[in-house]
Amino acid sequence: AQTVTQSQPEMSVQEAETVTLSCTYDTSENNYYLFWYKQPPSRQMILVIRQEAYKQQNATENRFSVNFQKAAKSFSLKISDSQLGDTAMYFCALNNNAGNMLTFGGGTRLMVKP
Amino acid sequence: SAVISQKPSRDICQRGTSLTIQCQVDSQVTMMFWYRQQPGQSLTLIATANQGSEATYESGFVIDKFPISRPNLTFSTLTVSNMSPEDSSIYLCSARDSGTGGSYEQYFGPGTRLTVT
Repeated sequence: AQTVTQSQPEMSVQEAETVTLSCTYDTSENNYYLFWYKQPPSRQMILVIRQEAYKQQNATENRFSVNFQKAAKSFSLKISDSQLGDTAMYFCALNNNAGNMLTFGGGTRLMVKP
Repeated sequence: SAVISQKPSRDICQRGTSLTIQCQVDSQVTMMFWYRQQPGQSLTLIATANQGSEATYESGFVIDKFPISRPNLTFSTLTVSNMSPEDSSIYLCSARDSGTGGSYEQYFGPGTRLTVT
């Protein structure tokens, strides 16, 4: 069984500053994919960033980047230059190589303050 | 990436009745999934909707309560049967792209907010 843990239920950050959301996971697979999804109050789940486990280079998408530590099974999300529109629930998720099972963490509620 | 729509976006239903939620994808996809998200909680997978065969249900979910159809590669329905207040949740449909180098990312519909009174 695979598990995903987000230890920060809520976080806040001032607009324009940087914030890091934590995620740890456990899986017996050697090859897998990790994702961060954003869910604003509109409920729409939006894919923010993805990381293949076999790639050592950390993924980056504009203001969003990850710190992937495979040995430690850690996958944190860094949001730079935070904007008010970043206010949302953020979910870390793990998909095994077979691709059928997407396991979500409990989520972190991020509030960006003006 | 696939664009997914769901109908209805929200509904208020009486206990004992059933509601069918529709999910439409704008392209053919290999896999479609149904999730439940209770208020303030994470997502829990209900089942995988298989095209041309019976859905695969996760532990704690049964076909009699949540019958699923998948008549083609772009459409699926989830029925919540014999509803009780405990079924009040957001129900989300997702699809996995069959391309994109096998990254297995899933795209989500906007969800259906169900309230059972």
